[in-house]
Amino acid sequence: GAGVSQSPRYKVAKRGQDVALRCDPISGHVSLFWYQQALGQGPEFLTYFQNEAQLDKSGLPSDRFFAERPEGSVSTLKIQRTQQEDSAVYLCASSFKEPSYEQYFGPGTRLTVT
Amino acid sequence: AQKVTQAQTEISVVEKEDVTLDCVYETRDTTYYLFWYKQPPSGELVFLIRRNSFDEQNEISGRYSWNFQKSTSSFNFTITASQVVDSAVYFCALSEAKEYGNKLVFGAGTILRVKS
Repeated sequence: GAGVSQSPRYKVAKRGQDVALRCDPISGHVSLFWYQQALGQGPEFLTYFQNEAQLDKSGLPSDRFFAERPEGSVSTLKIQRTQQEDSAVYLCASSFKEPSYEQYFGPGTRLTVT
Repeated sequence: AQKVTQAQTEISVVEKEDVTLDCVYETRDTTYYLFWYKQPPSGELVFLIRRNSFDEQNEISGRYSWNFQKSTSSFNFTITASQVVDSAVYFCALSEAKEYGNKLVFGAGTILRVKS
């Protein structure tokens, strides 16, 4: 079946622009996670949704980062007034039922802020 | 706080050699999960294995094997008879085992280069 999809795959933004990154999880997956992966590093947790509820946003680096999942399926990560340090790959992962099932990752969105 | 350390930044081997990727973790939880993921050049993280902290049995899957030692907080990964297609970045990760919200804590990754 279809895996986790993310769009766009690549995004170039000028500093100060707002961007929106989309994640389509696997159908029926309750849990959705966003991670940020800087070049040469491991992914780092940003935020977590259980259905439409954002239950953990402890990893969001600043109030410029905002995520939503209004209908409990598709999720959008929005970054306002992008800065160069926001340049990274943003990964989305979903899981059917925790903790018994693993997280499946999407291909990521590579954001470059110029 | 949870932490995962992958001390090997990069490993280069020649095809058919065996290679072991090290992973050391820290956690105060008594119940937790350990993972290995592969990230090929395409960028997508591919799940390889999950281990429950109560299950210290070693596991073998084809050319892959994992050695979990709670006494040394290690979860090492061995590839036997490596192949060029094994070239990728490998991540070890740790999570809690709560009912929900089990975010993964990743190590920095080990770049494996297998030369023909």
